[in-house]
Amino acid sequence: DTEVTQTPKHLVMGMTNKKSLKCEQHMGHRAMYWYKQKAKKPPELMFVYSYEKLSINESVPSRFSPECPNSSLLNLHLHALQPEDSALYLCASSQGLPVTQYFGPGTRLTVL
Amino acid sequence: GIQVEQSPPDLILQEGANSTLRCNFSDSVNNLQWFHQNPWGQLINLFYIPSGTKQNGRLSATTVATERYSLLYISSSQTTDSGVYFCAVVQGAQKLVFGQGTRLTINP
Repeated sequence: DTEVTQTPKHLVMGMTNKKSLKCEQHMGHRAMYWYKQKAKKPPELMFVYSYEKLSINESVPSRFSPECPNSSLLNLHLHALQPEDSALYLCASSQGLPVTQYFGPGTRLTVL
Repeated sequence: GIQVEQSPPDLILQEGANSTLRCNFSDSVNNLQWFHQNPWGQLINLFYIPSGTKQNGRLSATTVATERYSLLYISSSQTTDSGVYFCAVVQGAQKLVFGQGTRLTINP
């Protein structure tokens, strides 16, 4: 099974809200990733967790806060977002480095 | 950082046609992947192909690592092949860098 799941599928939030995106995989992968994708653009890496530790932060604003509670779960906590943060947020996982990354279906976020 | 360029940016074909998508990269890589992003946003793995040739049904891919390019071939196109095709390479140990994509439209 090469499935990565993400919830919710769609999220609309105001600039003062706090929300969280969730990602889960049960493939025993030890690396997990968050990407952001704007319309008509390729995905851009935000964060990488390797063995549950943050290994890459691509200078992402602090209003995005990642969390990896265990090897199967990855969260992205959102607070005080701006309208320009509206995008498709994709989660991925991989067995090791550098090997194939498997992507979830994404959360389409709209910030009002 | 590594640069990844894809061509053509857009491609419109009739059902049944064949197509070749190209990916050029600026530095040597040990990881190259091709993805298809469907209209709903799902990124689907097509090939992990740092070098050599692979085939999967109507799709095949070739990477010539020494010349820093990869090609994705789609034969007998179907409308379900429509979407955006990305190639991506690994920079450093973990960072996947995507090209700008080729938007493929297959008309019935």
